[in-house]
Amino acid sequence: EDQVTQSPEALRLQEGESSSLNCSYTVSGLRGLFWYRQDPGKGPEFLFTLYSAGEEKEKERLKATLTKKESFLHITAPKPEDSATYLCAVQMKTSYDKVIFGPGTSLSVIP
Amino acid sequence: EPEVTQTPSHQVTQMGQEVILRCVPISNHLYFYWYRQILGQKVEFLVSFYNNEISEKSEIFDDQFSVERPDGSNFTLKIRSTKLEDSAMYFCASSGEQGYYEQYFGPGTRLTVT
Repeated sequence: EDQVTQSPEALRLQEGESSSLNCSYTVSGLRGLFWYRQDPGKGPEFLFTLYSAGEEKEKERLKATLTKKESFLHITAPKPEDSATYLCAVQMKTSYDKVIFGPGTSLSVIP
Repeated sequence: EPEVTQTPSHQVTQMGQEVILRCVPISNHLYFYWYRQILGQKVEFLVSFYNNEISEKSEIFDDQFSVERPDGSNFTLKIRSTKLEDSAMYFCASSGEQGYYEQYFGPGTRLTVT
């Protein structure tokens, strides 16, 4: 069964304390992996798409990496405004558009 | 900055009633999607729409659901006979040909079925 899990479920960081969020997936052929940010009561906001193992993407304090089984979202020197839920989603090669979302990691950055 | 808009922000309906959720995607986008998120659960793909027809739908998207692009700007999701378990946040998203995988989500419509 195609599955996406994320860890940890919740993470509290001090401002400036770097860390990583994990997304593990078991799918029958990966077409793409996506990272989104979701603020409370809002829709997901697109961050990155990764297509193949070894690929890396960066945006401000965020860097996403991809291996054959998992992806990491590295947050360097986070600020309170980085507090949000970070969602991972995968699209299988057997799908045109359907994606499977993970449950998310709720990140709190304390000043 | 262009954005996806959705109306209403909150819809309360009685079980068995029909509801229509409305979305205005970003104007030059070609691909349109509906997702739902039951409170405290994962975001779930419902359906994708391209060139005036459904591209793909999930197992959730059964005969009680339908989508339509009635004009050049709106994209709607109709739920024919609502059930209690349809209560959720419904998100519309769109993407353009240049960034097919880069989906822009709307703020969502919270549907409450009583």
